[in-house]
Amino acid sequence: GDSVTQMEGPVTLSEEAFLTINCTYTATGYPSLFWYVQYPGEGLQLLLKATKADDKGSNKGFEATYRKETTSFHLEKGSVQVSDSAVYFCAANSNSGYALNFGKGTSLLVTP
Amino acid sequence: DADVTQTPRNRITKTGKRIMLECSQTKGHDRMYWYRQDPGLGLRLIYYSFDVKDINKGEISDGYSVSRQAQAKFSLSLESAIPNQTALYFCATRGQGQNTEAFFGQGTRLTVV
Repeated sequence: GDSVTQMEGPVTLSEEAFLTINCTYTATGYPSLFWYVQYPGEGLQLLLKATKADDKGSNKGFEATYRKETTSFHLEKGSVQVSDSAVYFCAANSNSGYALNFGKGTSLLVTP
Repeated sequence: DADVTQTPRNRITKTGKRIMLECSQTKGHDRMYWYRQDPGLGLRLIYYSFDVKDINKGEISDGYSVSRQAQAKFSLSLESAIPNQTALYFCATRGQGQNTEAFFGQGTRLTVV
């Protein structure tokens, strides 16, 4: 079936470090892909998305490129800030197209 | 005002009690969803609805029921709560098409004792 796998956390980085959070998916065809962020005590909010192969989504310094060859959508940021501390979820459209399948989430802690 | 509003935000209930979690949205979307979040398990889909007359089970619907009272309202019920239903519950809404983003409420933290 369709699913999303992302790297286990927690990830702890120093401020200004480079961030990569890996995400791979299994699906029939080429689903739209999303990264969501959840700040403490809040709901999920969209961080970025890509809707077709080779698309790059970007927002707030974060980027992710839709790689159909490796079925991946890794999240990157060149220089993280303390305010980036949150839980990050990778998601893909289900095969039916009706719902989103989420990865288990990766907790990121950025220290000063 | 928030696009998606969940009530209550926190609830403690006893085993065997019936409880309803409510959700309303102002996006005007037809599609609405209930997810459950557990540590280490991410978000899992409980139920989803495409309109008032269309209700569908997700991957973990056992022990839950839903009601779509109107386009804007989608409630989740636990008929007889049990401790392993202790979790953070999220309602979401989404526009038409596969490229659209989902908008989430702030969540309801439910504890069953």
